[in-house]
Amino acid sequence: SQQGEEDPQALSIQEGENATMNCSYKTSINNLQWYRQNSGRGLVHLILIRSNEREKHSGRLRVTLDTSKKSSSLLITASRAADTASYFCATDDNNAGNMLTFGGGTRLMVKP
Amino acid sequence: GAGVSQSPSNKVTEKGKDVELRCDPISGHTALYWYRQSLGQGLEFLIYFQGNSAPDKSGLPSDRFSAERTGGSVSTLTIQRTQQEDSAVYLCASTPWANNNEQFFGPGTRLTVL
Repeated sequence: SQQGEEDPQALSIQEGENATMNCSYKTSINNLQWYRQNSGRGLVHLILIRSNEREKHSGRLRVTLDTSKKSSSLLITASRAADTASYFCATDDNNAGNMLTFGGGTRLMVKP
Repeated sequence: GAGVSQSPSNKVTEKGKDVELRCDPISGHTALYWYRQSLGQGLEFLIYFQGNSAPDKSGLPSDRFSAERTGGSVSTLTIQRTQQEDSAVYLCASTPWANNNEQFFGPGTRLTVL
C-alpha cells in the first residue's frame, strides 16, 4: 500500500520560479528520500533526509522534514525546463525494515 | 561502473501467457528489489532479496507472481498466466546493503498484456 501522499499531484510553473512539493506519510520512519523520474522509467535518487534531521540542501534542492506532522517538502529553486519530471517521496517503514514505500508522485512541468 | 540493467525494455504479450523479466543489479550490491508502477501511479513494492536470506515476498499481488535470484546476482521476475491488470512498468533496484539507503534503479520493463 502507498504510505506517502504527495501534494500537488501536478504542478506547472515558469522557468526561474520555485517549485514546492509536499509529502505526507503515516507511520514512523528511519528516513525519507526523494526521487525523480523522467518519462515513466527509471528513478534517480535526489536526496535522503534522516528522521533526526529537519532540513537538508543539495544544490538547488532543499528538503524539510517534520516528523511531528509526518510530512516533508521538496523545494526546487530557480527551476529549469530540464527539471520537468515526476518527483516521488519514499519512506522506509520501521516495521517493514527494508523496502521503500512510495507516494503517488508530483508531476512537475517547467515551461521555458 | 555499469548501473542496474533490465531486459527486455518492452514486452507485449497475450493474456494467459507467461513472461519473464530480468534484472542485473550493480556488481557487489547485496540487496535487490522489484517494484511495479501502473500508469501515472507511484511504485508498489513486490519482493526483496538480501544476500542469502529468504526473500521478502510480502508485496507479491498473487501466486501468479514469483521471483528468483541466482547466485546472489541476477534476478528473474516471472508472471504466470498474465492478465490485463498486470500491465505496468516493472522496476528493479539494488543497494550495497539493505539498510535503507539510496536505491539504484534500472530503466524498467514496460509490460503490456493484450
